[in-house]
Amino acid sequence: ETGVTQSPTHLIKTRGQQVTLRCSSQSGHNTVSWYQQALGQGPQFIFQYYREEENGRGNFPPRFSGLQFPNYSSELNVNALELDDSALYLCASSLPGGSGNSPLHFGNGTRLTVT
Amino acid sequence: GQQVMQIPQYQHVQEGEDFTTYCNSSTTLSNIQWYKQRPGGHPVFLIQLVKSGEVKKQKRLTFQFGEAKKNSSLHITATQTTDVGTYFCAGMEYGNKLVFGAGTILRVKS
Repeated sequence: ETGVTQSPTHLIKTRGQQVTLRCSSQSGHNTVSWYQQALGQGPQFIFQYYREEENGRGNFPPRFSGLQFPNYSSELNVNALELDDSALYLCASSLPGGSGNSPLHFGNGTRLTVT
Repeated sequence: GQQVMQIPQYQHVQEGEDFTTYCNSSTTLSNIQWYKQRPGGHPVFLIQLVKSGEVKKQKRLTFQFGEAKKNSSLHITATQTTDVGTYFCAGMEYGNKLVFGAGTILRVKS
């Protein structure tokens, strides 16, 4: 059984640029959630995808968008990067039905630095 | 919106001492989950509590869910150096948005 994998592990971007982060879910998991974790903070919910549709969104602006593919892998796209977007971006997959009734399995995250 | 608060923010204990972290939600929860994140790592699921007043144990760890389903606690008996990390509670309202607390950082001095 393969776990959740994320790429890249680290990324440095300039303010105003765009970034795409990728996530492969754990085998058998069809729900993917994305979280932003600033230094010293808890993970903040960005959005969740289930069956290729957005299935819930946190308090993040529209420049944060995502996709889920038929194989359940997912992308997080952030446009017009701001300095405050610097954080660890965590992808988590879960069993069918969403994270409400099953635990989240997190990947190792992508560390994004915006300069 | 829903808020989940955790205290203390940080605790430094001597190995062998007990440790407790508390979690409070501004709204009633359908369930609460606990995660542990080691330094430089990612959150790892520990347990989920669903029923009002539920108590679950995992070896030296005891988890409780309040009667009103708005608060929870994690108690570690006789801490060990392997317990070091940040412990997060995460509350689920009746939906699919899991809201994490800010976490409690545990340091254990041997």
